[in-house]
Amino acid sequence: NAGVTQTPKFRILKIGQSMTLQCAQDMNHNYMYWYRQDPGMGLKLIYYSVGAGITDKGEVPNGYNVSRSTTEDFPLRLELAAPSQTSVYFCASSSRDRGETQYFGPGTRLLVL
Amino acid sequence: AQSVAQPEDQVNVAEGNPLTVKCTYSVSGNPYLFWYVQYPNRGLQFLLKYITGDNLVKGSYGFEAEFNKSQTSFHLKKPSALVSDSALYFCAVRGNYGGSQGNLIFGKGTKLSVKP
Repeated sequence: NAGVTQTPKFRILKIGQSMTLQCAQDMNHNYMYWYRQDPGMGLKLIYYSVGAGITDKGEVPNGYNVSRSTTEDFPLRLELAAPSQTSVYFCASSSRDRGETQYFGPGTRLLVL
Repeated sequence: AQSVAQPEDQVNVAEGNPLTVKCTYSVSGNPYLFWYVQYPNRGLQFLLKYITGDNLVKGSYGFEAEFNKSQTSFHLKKPSALVSDSALYFCAVRGNYGGSQGNLIFGKGTKLSVKP
């Protein structure tokens, strides 16, 4: 059982380039989240989705976009990469119940130069 | 606003000794509290959670946490530390993004170092 998978594991981007971080889960979870983790900080929410076709902004959405065409996939798009987006990105998913655990992917380390 | 505080950046413990990693929270209403562990270059792994019920919650790898409503704390504990417990530990509380579900609001993390 794969759980939450993320690709790529690591990427270097030049300023102004764009890329898509992939996230997929095989647990049939309705809720999916994108977080970023900066050194010495906890994770901060970028975007989330409560189901296919429904997405909304989190705490730090600027510079990012998402889509949710299927239950399984929740890609994160960086349109114009900036050095401030250098971070580790984690995708997570959970079922509908409010008390349910969020399960995290292994992360994507992004370096913008 | 909801928040989580982990007052210690690092906790050092000798193997075999008990360990405590501290967490305090600020929420409106009943808290949903979580502990996660992160090993180097890995994702976050769920350890345990408090939703309701018994104030002492038992989780994975021998960890437990005590919910104290009056002190708004949710400290992580283990009776006997192992070197393999060395990792970064995050306390989190359920936030409000996502309506009835909610994201997680994380503390900054505490690095646990267990020496032989």
